[in-house]
Amino acid sequence: EVQLLESGGCLVQSGGSLRLSCAASGFAFSSCAMSWVRQAPGKGLEWVSAISGSGGSTYYADSVKGRFTISRDSSKNTLYLQMNSLRAEDTAVYYCAQVPAGARPGRFYFDSWGQGTLVTVSS
Amino acid sequence: ENVLTQSPGTLSLSPGERATLSCRASQSVSNTYLAWYQQKPGQPPRLLIYGASSRATGIPDRFSGSGSGTDFTLTISRLEPEDFAVYFCQQYGSLPLTFGGGTKVEIK
Repeated sequence: EVQLLESGGCLVQSGGSLRLSCAASGFAFSSCAMSWVRQAPGKGLEWVSAISGSGGSTYYADSVKGRFTISRDSSKNTLYLQMNSLRAEDTAVYYCAQVPAGARPGRFYFDSWGQGTLVTVSS
Repeated sequence: ENVLTQSPGTLSLSPGERATLSCRASQSVSNTYLAWYQQKPGQPPRLLIYGASSRATGIPDRFSGSGSGTDFTLTISRLEPEDFAVYFCQQYGSLPLTFGGGTKVEIK
């Protein structure tokens, strides 16, 4: 059974930094691209970033490009999101999501999701 | 950016009725790379449909997806009590990946 467990969310001041982690189990981690998707309170879903199975390709939404960095450690089966220069509009639940194995580069949908971790940025 | 517009915003129906949800894209979605998700309060989204019409593992056959180009539809043939939730579409034919704003299916 696929399990994705996010951690690292908390209350942080505007301009601050935070690193989210997602511990993955139950599947061949290195074979799957992974992604972060966020949801502001009471709002819809917004794709944030994705990374290929090898870690060699990364993708970002314009809203976070230059501020957020996605990475992965296959030895630990863990996905990360380093978030810098945080803004109030980054306040959201951040979900870690698995992309099906064999997906074409950048052509990602999400077949498993974690429970999410809440990031609150105070201004 | 391929903007997805979902309609209606809210659908009020009774159990046993048929639900038809629309997702319209501002640009053609290549290869019918369109997915649908269901989300209940306090839970993460759950994948229902990918490739516009393929059901994900374990999804009941009362859920079906159709469409191509810019117009896509999710149909729930007979609503069960557990189907009342919010539904999102997502296109993955081009970057950035984008989601629609959601349709809430509520009990009438």
